[in-house]
Amino acid sequence: DTGVSQDPRHKITKRGQNVTFRCDPISEHNRLYWYRQTLGQGPEFLTYFQNEAQLEKSRLLSDRFSAERPKGSFSTLEIQRTEQGDSAMYLCASSLAGRQDSYEQYFGPGTRLTVT
Amino acid sequence: AQTVTQSQPEMSVQEAETVTLSCTYDTSESNYYLFWYKQPPSRQMILVIRQEAYKQQNATENRFSVNFQKAAKSFSLKISDSQLGDTAMYFCAFISTYFGNEKLTFGTGTRLTIIP
Repeated sequence: DTGVSQDPRHKITKRGQNVTFRCDPISEHNRLYWYRQTLGQGPEFLTYFQNEAQLEKSRLLSDRFSAERPKGSFSTLEIQRTEQGDSAMYLCASSLAGRQDSYEQYFGPGTRLTVT
Repeated sequence: AQTVTQSQPEMSVQEAETVTLSCTYDTSESNYYLFWYKQPPSRQMILVIRQEAYKQQNATENRFSVNFQKAAKSFSLKISDSQLGDTAMYFCAFISTYFGNEKLTFGTGTRLTIIP
């Protein structure tokens, strides 16, 4: 069990560019979550998957954001036409639905996005 | 919608002392879990302790314990014999157990500093 990993750890981009982040969950976990955390705040939910199905999307997730989990393993989060307000830490978490402790989510180190 | 409130933005305590972090939440649901997560400076989010709403007994994990008052919708974290490594942001979080709504809602956090 190597934990949740995210790539890249840091991303600096210019406004208007597209960026893509990757998350690899704990290998046996079937649920994968994306959260966004701005400085001094708690994480806010963006979207989550069970296997390859996207179960819920937050209203925070504008049309410029898209997430996929094509084979029920890793996930990508893409932001198109980035804006300065997108600057934040993007956190990925995973869990295993169906077990008693299935509501426990394990977090990755995050991808810090800076839009200049 | 659920809300989580942490009314103490910052706290500090001497090493080896006991400290209690406060959290209140609001929900109309009867089945849910509550968590405390720890986020050390520049490090990833770690689960500290969890509480199932249907359990009356307060959860305990080594030096960490909670005081769960379901009727008052209160969920405080007590850290005994505090250590320098406890310095971190602490987030209280709520999750519903209803399928399709199993996302974490976080409070704004309490920055805890342990003073040597």
